Amino acid sequence: GDSVTQMEGPVTLSEEAFLTINCTYTATGYPSLFWYVQYPGEGLQLLLKATKADDKGSNKGFEATYRKETTSFHLEKGSVQVSDSAVYFCALLIQGAQKLVFGQGTRLTINP
Amino acid sequence: DAGVIQSPRHEVTEMGQEVTLRCKPISGHNSLFWYRQTMMRGLELLIYFNNNVPIDDSGMPEDRFSAKMPNASFSTLKIQPSEPRDSAVYFCASSPGWFTLAGENTGELFFGEGSRLTVL
Repeated sequence: GDSVTQMEGPVTLSEEAFLTINCTYTATGYPSLFWYVQYPGEGLQLLLKATKADDKGSNKGFEATYRKETTSFHLEKGSVQVSDSAVYFCALLIQGAQKLVFGQGTRLTINP
Repeated sequence: DAGVIQSPRHEVTEMGQEVTLRCKPISGHNSLFWYRQTMMRGLELLIYFNNNVPIDDSGMPEDRFSAKMPNASFSTLKIQPSEPRDSAVYFCASSPGWFTLAGENTGELFFGEGSRLTVL
């Protein structure tokens, strides 16, 4: 079945460090890929997306590139801030389907 | 603009009691989703509706759980009777639709702030 696997957390970094959160997927069709972020005490919100191979999604300094050959969609940021502390979810949507498949989430903590 | 509104934000109840969680989706959105989040199982889709009609309830854990959407602006998730293992944060999310007129996947769900349920 369709699934998403994220790197296990928690991840703890110092401010201004480089961030990578790995995400790989298994899908029977041609999915669109997403990163959602959940700040403490809040619901999830869309961070960025890519709808086809080689697309790069970007937002708030975060980037992720849709790599079909490695079935990956890794999230990166060059210089993290304390305010980036949150739980990050990778997700996929199969063409024609109507529900997102979420990964298990990766908790990120940034220390000043 | 008001987002997805859930109530109550926190509920503490005793085992065996009935629990009703409420959700008001964003006006104009035609899809509504109920999720459950726990440390052990992560984020689980329980049920979703399109145009007020339940489409997929395969994630509902058992008959103790039921969900309704009597109109486009209101949905409930009911647990009767509740058990300690139902303790979780329950999220409601709505979507204007998965596809733009050009056929592009939007994939965007708009989540409420969640209802934290504790069953003692």
